[in-house]
Amino acid sequence: EVQLVESGGGLVKPGGSLRLSCAASGFTFSSYSMIWVRQAPGKGLEWVSSISSSSSYIYYPDSVKGRFTISRDNAKNSLYLQMNSLRAEDTAVYYCARDEGGGSYFFDYWGQGTLVTVSS
Amino acid sequence: DIQMTQSPSSVSASVGDRVTITCRASQGIRSWLAWYQQKPGKAPKLLIYAASSLQSGVPSRFSGSGSGTDFTLTISSLQPEDFGNYYCQQANSFPLTFGPGTKVDIK
Repeated sequence: EVQLVESGGGLVKPGGSLRLSCAASGFTFSSYSMIWVRQAPGKGLEWVSSISSSSSYIYYPDSVKGRFTISRDNAKNSLYLQMNSLRAEDTAVYYCARDEGGGSYFFDYWGQGTLVTVSS
Repeated sequence: DIQMTQSPSSVSASVGDRVTITCRASQGIRSWLAWYQQKPGKAPKLLIYAASSLQSGVPSRFSGSGSGTDFTLTISSLQPEDFGNYYCQQANSFPLTFGPGTKVDIK
């Protein structure tokens, strides 16, 4: 059974940092691209970052570029999101998700999400 | 960036009704479109990918169509468990973008 479990969320002050983790199981993690998507309270979905299976291709939207860093450790079946210089507008539930295959950027399995709150 | 719009923003329908949700891209995205269902407090669930391909395990009452800029998600016979928010997502180019969502309520 495919499972994605996020951790690392919490309350952080503006300007602070946080590292999210996503533990994957039930599939060959090293064969799939992965993403982070966030959802602010009561709002829609926003793509945050993507990483290819071998980490060769990494993408960010302008809203987080230069502040967030996605990475993965295929030996540990884990995906990470390092978030620096956090702002109030980064407050959201953060989901990790798996590309359904072949780098299509359609996402077939999602974690349960971890809440990040940026507030003083 | 490719902007995604959806209509309607909300729909209330009865069990057994046919429900249609439209998604429009600001530029052509061929068939690089997915549809997701999200229930309150839960993660999104992939329903349709590549505009019209039904994800494994998703009931056949869900179908997708369209290409280029205009796409449609149809629920042929609405069931009580189909309530929630529905989002389209384009995968044609970065940044990946989602539509604002359509809320489906059961009357």
